[in-house]
Amino acid sequence: DTGVSQDPRHKITKRGQNVTFRCDPISEHNRLYWYRQTLGQGPEFLTYFQNEAQLEKSRLLSDRFSAERPKGSFSTLEIQRTEQGDSAMYLCASSPPRSADTQYFGPGTRLTVL
Amino acid sequence: SQQGEEDPQALSIQEGENATMNCSYKTSINNLQWYRQNSGRGLVHLILIRSNEREKHSGRLRVTLDTSKKSSSLLITASRAADTASYFCATDGGYQKVTFGTGTKLQVIP
Repeated sequence: DTGVSQDPRHKITKRGQNVTFRCDPISEHNRLYWYRQTLGQGPEFLTYFQNEAQLEKSRLLSDRFSAERPKGSFSTLEIQRTEQGDSAMYLCASSPPRSADTQYFGPGTRLTVL
Repeated sequence: SQQGEEDPQALSIQEGENATMNCSYKTSINNLQWYRQNSGRGLVHLILIRSNEREKHSGRLRVTLDTSKKSSSLLITASRAADTASYFCATDGGYQKVTFGTGTKLQVIP
């Protein structure tokens, strides 16, 4: 069990640029979640996939944000035209079919928008 | 928006002492979970308590849940320096949407 992995771990970009993050869930976990965490706060839910279907999106996920999970395995989160307010830790989590209550988190991608 | 509020925001104790942190939430829940986060890292699931349970134990952890008061507490007994971390409660109101609190930052001094 290699755990949830995220890539890259750190990303520094200039305002207006597009960025894409990748999350590889634990093998056979059918649910995948994205969260955003700013300094001193708890994670905030962004979106959730069951297999390849995106079942829920937060209002935090503006039209500049898009997430995909094309084959029901890895997922990508893209932010277009980044803004300084997008600077945060982006966390991915996955959960297995029979224990959906427990989410296993990856190490996160820290985004800094200059 | 955050569903839960942890109290205290920060806690500093000596190694060997017990640490208690509290969580209050706003809406009805299916279950409540506690997670730990070491600085700059991902979250680690500690324990889950369902809405029909009142108390649960796991090793040095004891969690209580009072649905009438919409509150939960996490007790860490015989704390160790390695317990230094931020602790978050998270509520699941259904549909897999988990909402985290603001966290308690625990420092255990060796």
